[in-house]
Amino acid sequence: GAGVSQSPRYKVTKRGQDVTLRCDPISSHATLYWYQQALGQGPEFLTYFNYEAQPDKSGLPSDRFSAERPEGSISTLTIQRTEQRDSAMYRCASSSTRGGNTGELFFGEGSRLTVL
Amino acid sequence: GQNIDQPTEMTATEGAIVQINCTYQTSGFNGLFWYQQHAGEAPTFLSYNVLDGLEEKGRFSSFLSRSKGYSYLLLKELQMKDSASYLCAVRDLGGATNKLIFGTGTLLAVQP
Repeated sequence: GAGVSQSPRYKVTKRGQDVTLRCDPISSHATLYWYQQALGQGPEFLTYFNYEAQPDKSGLPSDRFSAERPEGSISTLTIQRTEQRDSAMYRCASSSTRGGNTGELFFGEGSRLTVL
Repeated sequence: GQNIDQPTEMTATEGAIVQINCTYQTSGFNGLFWYQQHAGEAPTFLSYNVLDGLEEKGRFSSFLSRSKGYSYLLLKELQMKDSASYLCAVRDLGGATNKLIFGTGTLLAVQP
């Protein structure tokens, strides 16, 4: 697509439920990142993909968090057994690794998760 | 480890110049980015430095000193619309990773 698209934009769930967030990156971009952003803070790195490979998932807070990108395009972030502390904005970003490119990240509008 | 420091808040006057500093410590380094984020919106790319020196882009300039682990973003001829959070981010090439690590952001308020 023309830009990075995330869904849902807003998700309210009850503690203990599982949630899945979706990211559709810019179609030519090989690299996809997931960040968590609390209000008034910078984005905190969760994980990233090069195509379908996931070289680094060191930022995932616990084993309740997982991400996939099975075909190297659309990615999902799943949070199992949600807790109130998981409430945050989850941002997806993509970048191109083509020669001469700075590798700047293009961010989606984010998915705001509220866990009651 | 990884650490990126920038001031939490700054205030400046419309028409003036403001400099936002960023210091970093990362296990690897492959470029420093500045992003602008207006309240309720996604971050947008402003500038990129990978070599020492000054990069100028219109009213915005960014400087990098790799030996000092230091960068600054310079905003000239401030406008009210420049009120936003400014995020410093470093691409960390430690080990097998190529992740972009963000600072906490500097909230700039431009006053008339």
